[in-house]
Amino acid sequence: LAKTTQPISMDSYEGQEVNITCSHNNIATNDYITWYQQFPSQGPRFIIQGYKTKVTNEVASLFIPADRKSSTLSLPRVSLSDTAVYYCLVGERGYSTLTFGKGTMLLVSP
Amino acid sequence: DAGVIQSPRHEVTEMGQEVTLRCKPISGHNSLFWYRQTMMRGLELLIYFNNNVPIDDSGMPEDRFSAKMPNASFSTLKIQPSEPRDSAVYFCASVRETTGVRYEQYFGPGTRLTVT
Repeated sequence: LAKTTQPISMDSYEGQEVNITCSHNNIATNDYITWYQQFPSQGPRFIIQGYKTKVTNEVASLFIPADRKSSTLSLPRVSLSDTAVYYCLVGERGYSTLTFGKGTMLLVSP
Repeated sequence: DAGVIQSPRHEVTEMGQEVTLRCKPISGHNSLFWYRQTMMRGLELLIYFNNNVPIDDSGMPEDRFSAKMPNASFSTLKIQPSEPRDSAVYFCASVRETTGVRYEQYFGPGTRLTVT
């Protein structure tokens, strides 16, 4: 599985757009990029998944450049409730076993 | 659907005692995972079942840990004997494995285990 590197923590204020970048230099051709969110005292929750270019859903957008060696999770207009740990994972779409890194702790302040 | 159900939510036990954690996956899901989360080591995969069969147990720390899945709707993770270093939050997750569908794992609320 490709190794991922992401910032340990980020700070933001309510209403701002937050972009969390993940590096995955060794991503393989069949690998997808998936992001999970974990609130305190809860299990991780799937946010978004993509292979290339841009993916958008009701929660976030995922930007993947042509070389796919990095990806950026974009959270529009964050609120206090977006304070959580965000994990970037890379693996084959059909590969169920996930390896979670340390994640990025996002703190949103008033 | 009620989601993945875990019990108990909290468990406090003394060193040397047997601990059994329980998980009910989402109906229709055919793969189940047990994870352990600590501040030091983060979220670690312990074992993965597919169609009730253990596929990958390389993450099980030692023989004191065992997991079973007797049917599609129930799994247990047992620690015997328990040690203080086993203190962690244990998560169970399930997913429906099919071809061509994104593999989104659904996690339970976790069991916070404290071994004194």
